[in-house]
Amino acid sequence: GESVGLHLPTLSVQEGDNSIINCAYSNSASDYFIWYKQESGKGPQFIIDIRSNMDKRQGQRVTVLLNKTVKHLSLQIAATQPGDSAVYFCAEKERKSSYKLIFGSGTRLLVRP
Amino acid sequence: SQTIHQWPATLVQPVGSPLSLECTVEGTSNPNLYWYRQAAGRGLQLLFYSVGIGQISSEVPQNLSASRPQDRQFILSSKKLLLSDSGFYLCAWSGDNDQPQHFGDGTRLSIL
Repeated sequence: GESVGLHLPTLSVQEGDNSIINCAYSNSASDYFIWYKQESGKGPQFIIDIRSNMDKRQGQRVTVLLNKTVKHLSLQIAATQPGDSAVYFCAEKERKSSYKLIFGSGTRLLVRP
Repeated sequence: SQTIHQWPATLVQPVGSPLSLECTVEGTSNPNLYWYRQAAGRGLQLLFYSVGIGQISSEVPQNLSASRPQDRQFILSSKKLLLSDSGFYLCAWSGDNDQPQHFGDGTRLSIL
């Protein structure tokens, strides 16, 4: 697939450590948020989502936190593994939009063995 | 379970040639369907979306068009490709507007 650019923000973590990837959104009318993982050569893969009536949601090894006051979204990955290395995108949907997701520019996660 | 297929995976085309990229979804009915383009190092730009057969909405004016001849088939086309049409094209589906979109593995299009 499309190789990610050289200028993506990059987070480098040691295998086994926890990772935190951050995302700022600008539209206070957004009420639905999604995190995607994109590996080289593949399309984005859904990880976890959260609606604006929640501030935290947990999945398997992942947690999404939503702070509507400062319009900030984060993805926490516990016990990061080499297979977690990828580009991570946040996406937001405006409350009144019927379909449109607005994607962030992405963060590259590198896991050091 | 639902699956989404895109083909071809890679395509090299000369400037001025036509284009047809196909996307099909299995395991669901009446999905919302989407075409995106992803430039290198960038997020995804929505090109087209469809809520039903024959219903296409365009997000940005461009050299491309989309069609939905069947419920689970979405086609991206061009009559004459430009150099600027190069990119990574992704198809996605969702159950409705309040559910996550699920992506295919994309087509890397190179225009020479």
